[in-house]
Amino acid sequence: AQSVTQLDSQVPVFEEAPVELRCNYSSSVSVYLFWYVQYPNQGLQLLLKYLSGSTLVKGINGFEAEFNKSQTSFHLRKPSVHISDTAEYFCAVRSRGGGNKLTFGTGTQLKVEL
Amino acid sequence: DSGVTQTPKHLITATGQRVTLRCSPRSGDLSVYWYQQSLDQGLQFLIQYYNGEERAKGNILERFSAQQFPDLHSELNLSSLELGDSALYFCASSGTGNTEAFFGQGTRLTVV
Repeated sequence: AQSVTQLDSQVPVFEEAPVELRCNYSSSVSVYLFWYVQYPNQGLQLLLKYLSGSTLVKGINGFEAEFNKSQTSFHLRKPSVHISDTAEYFCAVRSRGGGNKLTFGTGTQLKVEL
Repeated sequence: DSGVTQTPKHLITATGQRVTLRCSPRSGDLSVYWYQQSLDQGLQFLIQYYNGEERAKGNILERFSAQQFPDLHSELNLSSLELGDSALYFCASSGTGNTEAFFGQGTRLTVV
């Protein structure tokens, strides 16, 4: 079984400031890791994913995440946020061996202010 | 646009009623997944179908059922609805070799 913890339910940040959204996971098997974004009244869009290889993963809209196996973390970062980044962000895991059944964290609401 | 289509977008119904949510996966994707997003439970996996057969089951209530048809579209049936069933229901699909799932826009169900 897997679980995902997103400790920050809300993160307010000023425009053009950097941001980090934290994600920790627990699993007894090897996993793939994902970050999804949900804009208001929309579905889930994949930001980035970690499958293997380089632990620094770059995604869409200038986001990146770093996989840290020893700390079982997959934190999402962006060096300079924009108003349009205001959304809810979900970290998710799935086991490598299975299908694309995802276990999600509770989400972090990123609010970018002027 | 993910290529996954869900209908209807919104649904309002009364307690005790039954509704059917429909999902058309991306062209060629054999797997369909259903998720429920509610304020108190967050995003929860309900059930997965692969090429017409149930593949995995999550926190799906007995009042809920799903199926996948030969043309690969899927339906989620919710019966004896309760106020607590009000949520956003997402469908996702993936194909062989995909390491990610592609989500539809969701169906917002409101039970009054």
